[in-house]
Amino acid sequence: NAGVTQTPKFRVLKTGQSMTLLCAQDMNHEYMYWYRQDPGMGLRLIHYSVGEGTTAKGEVPDGYNVSRLKKQNFLLGLESAAPSQTSVYFCASSYSRTGAFFGQGTRLTVV
Amino acid sequence: QQQVKQSPQSLIVQKGGIPIINCAYENTAFDYFPWYQQFPGKGPALLIAIRPDVSEKKEGRFTISFNKSAKQFSLHIMDSQPGDSATYFCAQGSGNTGKLIFGQGTTLQVKP
Repeated sequence: NAGVTQTPKFRVLKTGQSMTLLCAQDMNHEYMYWYRQDPGMGLRLIHYSVGEGTTAKGEVPDGYNVSRLKKQNFLLGLESAAPSQTSVYFCASSYSRTGAFFGQGTRLTVV
Repeated sequence: QQQVKQSPQSLIVQKGGIPIINCAYENTAFDYFPWYQQFPGKGPALLIAIRPDVSEKKEGRFTISFNKSAKQFSLHIMDSQPGDSATYFCAQGSGNTGKLIFGQGTTLQVKP
């Protein structure tokens, strides 16, 4: 039982490049989320999904897209990376009010 | 905009002390108030949570106090240990979507 697994763990991108972050959960959770963590800002919600095939915007969605084609996977895409997107990205999943389980994070640097 | 304001930003206590971290929220639509603990290089982990119809909840050495009228809640760590040194985040959550809005975080150091 791996919980929430994020791929990759580290990545360096050049400005303008694109990439996809993959999140997989094996807990059969309905809800999945993408957060970014920046110093002094806490964790801010980018996008979330309340079920397979659904997505919704969070607090800071600009510059990101997501897809939830399968219940266990939630993908976060950056179409044209910018230095402002340098951050640590966390995926999480939950089942209603039971509390969210977080992955180990992806450290992304955009140069 | 940050809807949950957390203080202090950092905190240093001696072993056995009782650090207290405070949070204030604005949006009363959320119905779930968790605290998360995060160690360096790791993802946040759920520590304890409370609902707004309860004024206090204890789990081991961790206690949440909730003041609905003041829209504030706090985390107390009894008999703190060096292993409690971590960053703590408060949050408010939606029961419908499960999404969380986090505070800015408090870095706690417990000295031996």
